[in-house]
Amino acid sequence: AQKVTQAQTEISVVEKEDVTLDCVYETRDTTYYLFWYKQPPSGELVFLIRRNSFDEQNEISGRYSWNFQKSTSSFNFTITASQVVDSAVYFCAQSSGGSYIPTFGRGTSLIVHP
Amino acid sequence: KAGVTQTPRYLIKTRGQQVTLSCSPISGHRSVSWYQQTPGQGLQFLFEYFSETQRNKGNFPGRFSGRQFSNSRSEMNVSTLELGDSALYLCASSANGQPYEQYFGPGTRLTVT
Repeated sequence: AQKVTQAQTEISVVEKEDVTLDCVYETRDTTYYLFWYKQPPSGELVFLIRRNSFDEQNEISGRYSWNFQKSTSSFNFTITASQVVDSAVYFCAQSSGGSYIPTFGRGTSLIVHP
Repeated sequence: KAGVTQTPRYLIKTRGQQVTLSCSPISGHRSVSWYQQTPGQGLQFLFEYFSETQRNKGNFPGRFSGRQFSNSRSEMNVSTLELGDSALYLCASSANGQPYEQYFGPGTRLTVT
């Protein structure tokens, strides 16, 4: 069975701080996909990134970076120099198996104070 | 391109009633997935439709059903509403379906009283 754990329920930082959101996943499949989504107060989930299990290369996109480590089953997300607009709930998700039905973590609420 | 649209945005229903929610995907996208989001259970996958066929189904009772039309627009129906069905229902469209990038709509907030 798949499981995604986001142990941090809420993180509060001051603008310009760096912040890392943790994600730990469980799966028995060798082929799987990992995702991060952002849900601002408006409610609409915004796709941020998708990684497949064969690509452990870390990725950077502007102030966002992702660290995928199969050895620890983690897919952590770091925001550098956080901004107030980064305040949102962030979800990590995983899908695998023939159907690729996604399993979401419970989300981490990030609050960035000015 | 216009984004994913969902109607209505807010809905209040009474226990025992049924409800139909609508989703219009991004033009050209053939896959529509539906999710339920509640404080208690989080985000849960309901089902996915691809080219008018249900391709995947989550672990929800038969009261939850859906369909997709030839223009890729999708509807989901919940019959015999229960208080626990109160949730934000999100629709997502994708060009290639799961597990590829999905684009979400703003959701329909359903309240069952």
